[in-house]
Amino acid sequence: KAGVTQTPRYLIKTRGQQVTLSCSPISGHRSVSWYQQTPGQGLQFLFEYFSETQRNKGNFPGRFSGRQFSNSRSEMNVSTLELGDSALYLCASSLVAGRNSPLHFGNGTRLTVT
Amino acid sequence: QQPVQSPQAVILREGEDAVINCSSSKALYSVHWYRQKHGEAPVFLMILLKGGEQKGHDKISASFNEKKQQSSLYLTASQLSYSGTYFCGIETSGSRLTFGEGTQLTVNP
Repeated sequence: KAGVTQTPRYLIKTRGQQVTLSCSPISGHRSVSWYQQTPGQGLQFLFEYFSETQRNKGNFPGRFSGRQFSNSRSEMNVSTLELGDSALYLCASSLVAGRNSPLHFGNGTRLTVT
Repeated sequence: QQPVQSPQAVILREGEDAVINCSSSKALYSVHWYRQKHGEAPVFLMILLKGGEQKGHDKISASFNEKKQQSSLYLTASQLSYSGTYFCGIETSGSRLTFGEGTQLTVNP
């Protein structure tokens, strides 16, 4: 079974631009979560989608948005990029949304904002 | 509310044991443990649910103390392959998985 696929692996953008990251979950997984990872901050929760609906949202500004499609693939968008947005963005899928569902992470998209 | 992990870092020699703690200020529904090796994605180790159960995974096990709102990860007879950053993730009422800052574990020969 193919794992979680994130594209692109690396991105370099300048301040003020916007970016879209993509995540394809494991086949059959209907829940997708997004996390931002920076040194010293650990994994910060961005949002969680299940069956095309956002179930939870973390404490990030409105510049961060996402969506999920009917095939469970998900995209995350960051508008008006700031230097502080430089991070590794991880997508994780799980079979269902719920407390007993382990997360399966992708290798992430490394975003650098200059 | 982010859980607090301790210690932040630990260095072991092969064969030694280690304990990593994860504490929450809120009542816990479940605790997840993940390990991330440098440059790789975090990998799921185990989930512990309300009820104070202990789970095992080879020589890695964990406990969940509901009253103390904490979980501990036990690594016994450590191997070089155990090196990495260990994250606990907690689920509390109304929230999705919230991770701690991680514990960096280094196992030397």
